[in-house]
Amino acid sequence: AQKITQTQPGMFVQEKEAVTLDCTYDTSDQSYGLFWYKQPSSGEMIFLIYQGSYDEQNATEGRYSLNFQKARKSANLVISASQLGDSAMYFCAMREGLTSGTYKYIFGTGTRLKVLA
Amino acid sequence: NAGVTQTPKFQVLKTGQSMTLQCAQDMNHNSMYWYRQDPGMGLRLIYYSASEGTTDKGEVPNGYNVSRLNKREFSLRLESAAPSQTSVYFCASSEHTGTDTQYFGPGTRLTVL
Repeated sequence: AQKITQTQPGMFVQEKEAVTLDCTYDTSDQSYGLFWYKQPSSGEMIFLIYQGSYDEQNATEGRYSLNFQKARKSANLVISASQLGDSAMYFCAMREGLTSGTYKYIFGTGTRLKVLA
Repeated sequence: NAGVTQTPKFQVLKTGQSMTLQCAQDMNHNSMYWYRQDPGMGLRLIYYSASEGTTDKGEVPNGYNVSRLNKREFSLRLESAAPSQTSVYFCASSEHTGTDTQYFGPGTRLTVL
């Protein structure tokens, strides 16, 4: 069964330093997508970055990059130059195809990141 | 564009009461989803709708019903609320092209006493 694992319940990072949030996944599909979302204390879910299973290059979006290691089934989020506003819960998610023609998304349990001044 | 909107933002119910959570999207997305978020458990899929007129059960459908009223709107109904349904409920929608990124509404915080 498809599964997403985030093994770090909480992380601390010093302001302006880089931090890596871990995500491993399990799927038998050849085609899948991996996502990271940010959930600040206000509660909304904010899309950060996407990586397709066939993408050869790691995805980047501003200070966010996704370290995609397909053979190891890992999709770690790297945040460079951390800012106080990066303090939030971060969720890794995977898209799987369904016979109905749509997709289902599986979420990890999240990592709470605290950026220290 | 408003994106995905949800009403209400907060709700308190007594055990046995019923209510409907409303969700609408203005992005012309085909697929819509309802999730619940409980502490330490990430998001779990309740129901989803691949297109107007179709709905399917997700991981935790018991105690819920849904209606895909039209392409824009997807409602979630609790017929007889239970304390175990105390949670934060998120509606989401996704395009069926490109990356199929899901976009979320702001959530509804529901407490059942």
